[in-house]
Amino acid sequence: DSGVTQTPKHLITATGQRVTLRCSPRSGDLSVYWYQQSLDQGLQFLIQYYNGEERAKGNILERFSAQQFPDLHSELNLSSLELGDSALYFCASSVSGAGTFEQYFGPGTRLTVT
Amino acid sequence: QQQVKQSPQSLIVQKGGIPIINCAYENTAFDYFPWYQQFPGKGPALLIAIRPDVSEKKEGRFTISFNKSAKQFSLHIMDSQPGDSATYFCAAAGNTGKLIFGQGTTLQVKP
Repeated sequence: DSGVTQTPKHLITATGQRVTLRCSPRSGDLSVYWYQQSLDQGLQFLIQYYNGEERAKGNILERFSAQQFPDLHSELNLSSLELGDSALYFCASSVSGAGTFEQYFGPGTRLTVT
Repeated sequence: QQQVKQSPQSLIVQKGGIPIINCAYENTAFDYFPWYQQFPGKGPALLIAIRPDVSEKKEGRFTISFNKSAKQFSLHIMDSQPGDSATYFCAAAGNTGKLIFGQGTTLQVKP
């Protein structure tokens, strides 16, 4: 158990809908990262937050947004969902947002868009 | 230049064998190279990581070899066991902490 929690574990929704994925980092970690894992694209970095501020952005669609709250949990919002958004979404946390520190992954949320 | 290339895509070894997974990168700004192990239905778990100031690091049965001049690094699993059967990902990061992952290697260790 990495200490990172994600909810829900599974999510099934229809095209055009909006969902929110939630992540709680390990105790003491200030940085949260979101990754998408799909069969064709592999593991892709989406976005990073550090202590409430956006720190880095990757291949994140404009339909997707995220935020980190004062209690350091983070939410990833996916809107206008398309079939191709079906994937595993992981969050990871690390103690710092600067430099290279170990990232610990949560169990993921499996999103299925029908 | 942001890519990390991983090979082989899949690997089958007998119990006790030493599977080797290789990764190559282009971006010389990368200075952190972790390996993750992922079982079906689970999140990636950090196995071992190396920084470019050392050429080798061992943790238990897992060893990373790092060749800075060739921009390559590899994972060796000593005395492999059926419980090691999983997908392994190499990754690289620079000062942003953003991990760039290889495509993964599915390892099967036969009893």
